[in-house]
Amino acid sequence: ELKVEQNPLFLSMQEGKNYTIYCNYSTTSDRLYWYRQDPGKSLESLFVLLSNGAVKQEGRLMASLDTKARLSTLHITAAVHDLSATYFCAVDVDDGAQKLVFGQGTRLTINP
Amino acid sequence: DAGVTQSPTHLIKTRGQQVTLRCSPKSGHDTVSWYQQALGQGPQFIFQYYEEEERQRGNFPDRFSGHQFPNYSSELNVNALLLGDSALYLCASSLLGANEQFFGPGTRLTVL
Repeated sequence: ELKVEQNPLFLSMQEGKNYTIYCNYSTTSDRLYWYRQDPGKSLESLFVLLSNGAVKQEGRLMASLDTKARLSTLHITAAVHDLSATYFCAVDVDDGAQKLVFGQGTRLTINP
Repeated sequence: DAGVTQSPTHLIKTRGQQVTLRCSPKSGHDTVSWYQQALGQGPQFIFQYYEEEERQRGNFPDRFSGHQFPNYSSELNVNALLLGDSALYLCASSLLGANEQFFGPGTRLTVL
């Protein structure tokens, strides 16, 4: 059974600092997704990573995928309060079938 | 262009009752997936519908069933509700084989 593990699960950081969220998964897959969820809201797609070595950046967020290590990272640069949310990674377990297995989520709080 | 829509927004039921949740996919999408998100957890895949048939299923009991209509909209039915069925139910739509799915706002189900 595929397992997707994120760490840390909780992260409190100051504005202006950099940090990385890690996503490890237990089976072969080259399709990994990052989502953001605000309290009481749905999931907002951030990044779609489709191959080994893929790197994508949007604003202060950058995501990468290493399929050989079964590891994805979400790096936050110079954090701002608006980035406070829960971040989920998800792995497509069926090669494009869009059957996603999610991690537990990382609750990120950015303090002024 | 309307995105994925779900109804109702909130629902309160008692144990043993039955519930039907509805989802309209994003325009042009033909595939609908349903996820259950318990409080503080990542979403879990329930099942996926394409061409009015269940194409993929997660590890959920038969109490969970669904349907897809010719206009691609979908319903999720849950029978014999348990307290543990209380969750946010998310619908996601995509084109079959596409690399991304879009999530609706969710239906929050509370079972008393």
